[in-house]
Amino acid sequence: NAGVTQTPKFRILKIGQSMTLQCTQDMNHNYMYWYRQDPGMGLKLIYYSVGAGITDKGEVPNGYNVSRSTTEDFPLRLELAAPSQTSVYFCASNSGTSAPRETQYFGPGTRLLVL
Amino acid sequence: AQTVTQSQPEMSVQEAETVTLSCTYDTSESDYYLFWYKQPPSRQMILVIRQEAYKQQNATENRFSVNFQKAAKSFSLKISDSQLGDAAMYFCAFGYNNNDMRFGAGTRLTVKP
Repeated sequence: NAGVTQTPKFRILKIGQSMTLQCTQDMNHNYMYWYRQDPGMGLKLIYYSVGAGITDKGEVPNGYNVSRSTTEDFPLRLELAAPSQTSVYFCASNSGTSAPRETQYFGPGTRLLVL
Repeated sequence: AQTVTQSQPEMSVQEAETVTLSCTYDTSESDYYLFWYKQPPSRQMILVIRQEAYKQQNATENRFSVNFQKAAKSFSLKISDSQLGDAAMYFCAFGYNNNDMRFGAGTRLTVKP
């Protein structure tokens, strides 16, 4: 049981380039989330999904897109990368089926540097 | 809007001693959850402890316990018998549904041998 996995671990992008951050969970969780963590700050929610085919914006969605075609995968797409998107990105999941506000399980993070 | 404030950017404790990390939050919700997450240098987010707002009893997990004061909107974390492995960033977080969780800016804990 790997939990939540993210790839890549680290990436350098040039301004204007695009990339997709991958996130996969093997716990059959319905809810998945993408957060970003800027230096010295807490996490902020970018997008979330409550199930395959259903996504919605979080607190800081601008410059990002997501899709959820399967229960397991929740990729985050960066279009036209900007230096302001330099951050560490965390994917998380929880089942969302029993108690609300339950614990989220986090991936190891992807460090992105935009130059 | 929900906000979480951690007023101590850095804290230091001697090994085997006790340290308390502070957290306050602001919300108009009556039913919610509070969390403390640990983030070691590996950057992995690890759940330390959580508290349901409707429970008056403070949560405990081995050496970790909380002091939850709902009226004061305060949620502090006490670490007893501190160990070198406790050194990390600690984040307080507030969640009131499955779609939103707000994090504080974090407290960096140093443990001195």
